[in-house]
Amino acid sequence: AQKVTQAQTEISVVEKEDVTLDCVYETRDTTYYLFWYKQPPSGELVFLIRRNSFDEQNEISGRYSWNFQKSTSSFNFTITASQVVDSAVYFCALVLSGGYQKVTFGIGTKLQVIP
Amino acid sequence: EAEVAQSPRYKITEKSQAVAFWCDPISGHATLYWYRQILGQGPELLVQFQDESVVDDSQLPKDRFSAERLKGVDSTLKIQPAELGDSAMYLCASSLYPTSGSGSYNEQFFGPGTRLTVL
Repeated sequence: AQKVTQAQTEISVVEKEDVTLDCVYETRDTTYYLFWYKQPPSGELVFLIRRNSFDEQNEISGRYSWNFQKSTSSFNFTITASQVVDSAVYFCALVLSGGYQKVTFGIGTKLQVIP
Repeated sequence: EAEVAQSPRYKITEKSQAVAFWCDPISGHATLYWYRQILGQGPELLVQFQDESVVDDSQLPKDRFSAERLKGVDSTLKIQPAELGDSAMYLCASSLYPTSGSGSYNEQFFGPGTRLTVL
């Protein structure tokens, strides 16, 4: 069975600081997808990024960057120069390829950016 | 821009009452998911439909929860009777047909959710 662990339940940073959200996953499958979602107070899950298990290239999108390391089964998310609008709960998720592609979510990390 | 619609957005009910939530997926999406998200936790899949058929309801408390998607389009999730522990956010998501094999995945799009409070 697959599992996603987000060890940080809550993080507070001061605006403009960099912050890294950790995600560690477990699966015996060799083909899978990893995701990050943002859930603002309004409740809707907003897709941020998808990464498949064959692509270990790190990715940068504006102030967001992701570090995928299969050797440590980690898919960490960094926000550079954090802003108050980044305050939300962030979820890491895992989907196995094939079948009906059930999504396994971590418990989420609540990020508070203080002005 | 196509979106997943859910109603109501908020529902307050008393214990032992019946409640129902509605979801309208993105047009053309054959797969529909209902998730429950308890405060402080990640979403947990309750039921997954492929067209009108249930393909996964292993986490659905079938003694009180039911879900249907009669015409393979919109869906209703019902709880009867509601219990205090059912207070949560209920999220609906939809996607195109999942495709098997490596290198393929169809992203799930989430609706705004229904926040249920059971008193």
